[in-house]
Amino acid sequence: DAGVTQSPTHLIKTRGQQVTLRCSPKSGHDTVSWYQQALGQGPQFIFQYYEEEERQRGNFPDRFSGHQFPNYSSELNVNALLLGDSALYLCASSLPQGFGNTIYFGEGSWLTVV
Amino acid sequence: ILNVEQSPQSLHVQEGDSTNFTCSFPSSNFYALHWYRWETAKSPEALFVMTLNGDEKKKGRISATLNTKEGYSYLYIKGSQPEDSATYLCAFGGGADGLTFGKGTHLIIQP
Repeated sequence: DAGVTQSPTHLIKTRGQQVTLRCSPKSGHDTVSWYQQALGQGPQFIFQYYEEEERQRGNFPDRFSGHQFPNYSSELNVNALLLGDSALYLCASSLPQGFGNTIYFGEGSWLTVV
Repeated sequence: ILNVEQSPQSLHVQEGDSTNFTCSFPSSNFYALHWYRWETAKSPEALFVMTLNGDEKKKGRISATLNTKEGYSYLYIKGSQPEDSATYLCAFGGGADGLTFGKGTHLIIQP
């Protein structure tokens, strides 16, 4: 049973460019969340998708957008990249909001903006 | 803004010794408390999800307790082994608002 898979593993982009990161949830999971981890910080919640809709968003600007496909996989898009967007981006999947559901994480995508 | 604090920030422990560290979180509107173990270049590994005040959970040599009334959880590791070296993260929440993480406790086990 494959866990949460993310691609690409590493990428380098230039300021002002756009990036798309991809995530396949754990088998049977239909809820996908994205997190950003900057150096020295814990992961920060970006947004959550369920039934192809964004349910909630953390404190991130509109440059961060996402999508969920009918097969529950998801993309995170970041436009107009800034140097401060350099971070590890983690995808997490779970069953729908439920009391005490385990949330599983992928290994992340390392984004460097130069 | 939710605030989740973990202490200590880092910890060096001799192999074979037992250790523990703390996670503090808001005591109001409690939903769930998650513990993760995160090794470099791997995905965070879910250890426990704790939902009830007084919960105690155990997985091998690792156990955790939860006090929702005062807003803290302890993680215990008994008889530390080198493979226990990792960053241990706690996270509050887990509903549609996602998880709010602490900065983690970086544990190093010295042979």
